[in-house]
Amino acid sequence: DTGVSQDPRHKITKRGQNVTFRCDPISEHNRLYWYRQTLGQGPEFLTYFQNEAQLEKSRLLSDRFSAERPKGSFSTLEIQRTEQGDSAMYLCASRQGGAENTEAFFGQGTRLTVV
Amino acid sequence: GEDVEQSLFLSVREGDSSVINCTYTDSSSTYLYWYKQEPGAGLQLLTYIFSNMDMKQDQRLTVLLNKKDKHLSLRIADTQTGDSAIYFCAETRTGGGNKLTFGTGTQLKVEL
Repeated sequence: DTGVSQDPRHKITKRGQNVTFRCDPISEHNRLYWYRQTLGQGPEFLTYFQNEAQLEKSRLLSDRFSAERPKGSFSTLEIQRTEQGDSAMYLCASRQGGAENTEAFFGQGTRLTVV
Repeated sequence: GEDVEQSLFLSVREGDSSVINCTYTDSSSTYLYWYKQEPGAGLQLLTYIFSNMDMKQDQRLTVLLNKKDKHLSLRIADTQTGDSAIYFCAETRTGGGNKLTFGTGTQLKVEL
C-alpha cells in the first residue's frame, strides 16, 4: 500500500458543471476525511466517514456537495453546479480511528479550478 | 481555521534556529500537531504533543505547549534549506472524531 491516493490530481471545469473526485485511503484505515484548502489558508474540514457511515458534515458542505463511501473503502466527493468559489485543493486523509494519537495520512490532493 | 492562528511568514538564515508560533482558542484540545507542506506535496506530519504535556523533543524539533496561554511553538534547530515550506499547526478536540482544525500556516524561508 503506497498511501492515500487521489484522482484526478487536477481538474478544470466550467462553472455549472458537475465534478467528482475519488480518494483511495490506506486499506486498513477505517476513518476517511475530506478537507478543502484555498490559497493562503490551512485545510478546512468538510466531512468524515467511519467505515461506510458519514458521521459528520461541516457547515462548509453546502447542498451542492455530496460524499459517499459505499463499501467502507474508497470515497467520492461530488460537487454539483460548480461555482468559482469552489476552486480549491480538495484533500483526503485516512487514519485508524479509535486512539486519538493515530496519525492521519494525507493524499496529494485534487486541485479544482472552476472557470 | 479561525480558531487557530499563526504568523504568516518567517525568514531565517541556514544554520540558525527557527521558531514558529501558534495560538488556539479551544480548551478541549486533546492533541496538537505540526504539519509541513511543500509545493506539490501532501501534508506531512512532523510531530505532535498531547495537551497535558509541556514539551516534546524529536531530533531537531522541539515542541513547547503553554496550555494556560493556549500557545504552541515549534523550534527547528540548525535550519536547512530543505526546511523551507509552509508549516501548519493543528488540533483535535474531545469528541471531534479526530478531525483536524488547522491554522493558517507559516511560510518558512531559509536563506543561505
